[in-house]
Amino acid sequence: ETGVTQTPRHLVMGMTNKKSLKCEQHLGHNAMYWYKQSAKKPLELMFVYSLEERVENNSVPSRFSPECPNSSHLFLHLHTLQPEDSALYLCASSPEWGGRGVGADTQYFGPGTRLTVL
Amino acid sequence: GDSVTQMEGPVTLSEEAFLTINCTYTATGYPSLFWYVQYPGEGLQLLLKATKADDKGSNKGFEATYRKETTSFHLEKGSVQVSDSAVYFCALIFSSGSARQLTFGSGTQLTVLP
Repeated sequence: ETGVTQTPRHLVMGMTNKKSLKCEQHLGHNAMYWYKQSAKKPLELMFVYSLEERVENNSVPSRFSPECPNSSHLFLHLHTLQPEDSALYLCASSPEWGGRGVGADTQYFGPGTRLTVL
Repeated sequence: GDSVTQMEGPVTLSEEAFLTINCTYTATGYPSLFWYVQYPGEGLQLLLKATKADDKGSNKGFEATYRKETTSFHLEKGSVQVSDSAVYFCALIFSSGSARQLTFGSGTQLTVLP
C-alpha cells in the first residue's frame, strides 16, 4: 500500500479514442509526476506538477495532456494515440519539488496503468 | 549529464544465496541515492535510500552504502527468498539546483529459484 492510487489499472483503446488516466495521492504531498515505462527502456519522466503548476514537460507529444486540478489529483488525458504509446504509465508524488530537506524529494509511486493502443 | 549504471541482468539465484546488484553513478555534486523495486504487474516501490556519503540504507534485509570515493551504491542481501524476485532500479536525484529529475538505471531482473 503506497498511498498513491491509479485508475484504471488496465486500458485498451483504439487510435481514435479519447481516454483519461487518473492518479490520486493520499500522502499530503505537493509534487506529482507522470512517467512512461516501456519494455526494455529506462523510465521516462513526462510531466511534473508542483503546487498544481506544471514545472516540467519533457518534450512529450501533444496527444498527451496532463491536468492537475488540486495537489491530490493528477490526470493524463489521451487522444489520437499511436501503437508505440502502449506502455505502463506510472504516477508518483513527493513532499516537494526540488526540496532541500531530507526526504523532501523522495518519490512514491502508484501501481501504474497498463495501456494498450490498438 | 547525470547517469546511473546498473549491472545487466537477468540475475538468477537459488533461495538463501547472497545477492549483490552493482550500481555506479556519474554526477557533479552529491546526489541522494535510491533503490526501487518493481514486483510483477506492479508499480515501483521505494526499497531504501541514502542522502549523503557513508550513509547506509536498509529495509527488508536489503542494504546499500553510499560510497562517494567509488561513486557506488551497490545493493546487497545476505539470504534471498523467492518473494524477492522482481526488477530492481537504482536511481539518483539532486535535492537542490537545476538537476531535479529522478534519474533511473535500466533495471536488473532478479529471479530467485526455490
